[in-house]
Amino acid sequence: QTVVTQEPSFSVSPGGAVTLTCGLNSGSVSTNYYPSWYQQTPGQAPRTLIYSTNTRSSGVPDRFSGSILGNRAALTITGAQADDESDYYCVLYMPGGIWVFGGGTKLTVL
Amino acid sequence: QLQLQESGPGLVKPSETLSLTCTVSGGFISSSSYYWGWIRQPPGKGLEWIGSIYYTGSTYSNPSLKSRVTISVDTSKSQFSLRLSSLTAADTAVYYCARQTPTAGNSWGQGTLVTVSS
Repeated sequence: QTVVTQEPSFSVSPGGAVTLTCGLNSGSVSTNYYPSWYQQTPGQAPRTLIYSTNTRSSGVPDRFSGSILGNRAALTITGAQADDESDYYCVLYMPGGIWVFGGGTKLTVL
Repeated sequence: QLQLQESGPGLVKPSETLSLTCTVSGGFISSSSYYWGWIRQPPGKGLEWIGSIYYTGSTYSNPSLKSRVTISVDTSKSQFSLRLSSLTAADTAVYYCARQTPTAGNSWGQGTLVTVSS
């Protein structure tokens, strides 16, 4: 069974930088899995931040960036703001048309 | 601008089958290279992919749900649908429909809460 792993929680100071990561139990995350990142606040639908590893969705500030770091996908937020406090989900597109969501990271800005 | 809207019952009984429909506007449901999918989120928990239908008509589903999931599309109505059978309380969740593509991410509906209870 394919499992996508994320840090359950993370905290960052206002104005600071944080990198959230996304791993795969069966090996390395690569661009071949088209990693994408979604932001979700309570009661709201997810919002697409990053797709295809490092492409920002329309309207997403350049404080958000995506990359591959080692064997994991990564979402880096620089200049963190209070309204960045959200849940962040990584999704991988696997062979065979399968989409696998990570468990999400709860980001606290304090 | 693409919009997706879920519709269906808010309450269903255990052992019954859930039927949800997603209506697509501002885009063509038969456009190439897109998947049309369903994702759910139990209260207080993370997102879970349920399944998707590709523009070719091929369907794909989460292995953990596969035997209970049916996804279909009605291009004449610009709608796609989910049927999830043999419901239990564990299927209580907000259900989202989405247009999915690896090269452009997801476009999401607003979600609809489905409660499984007698």
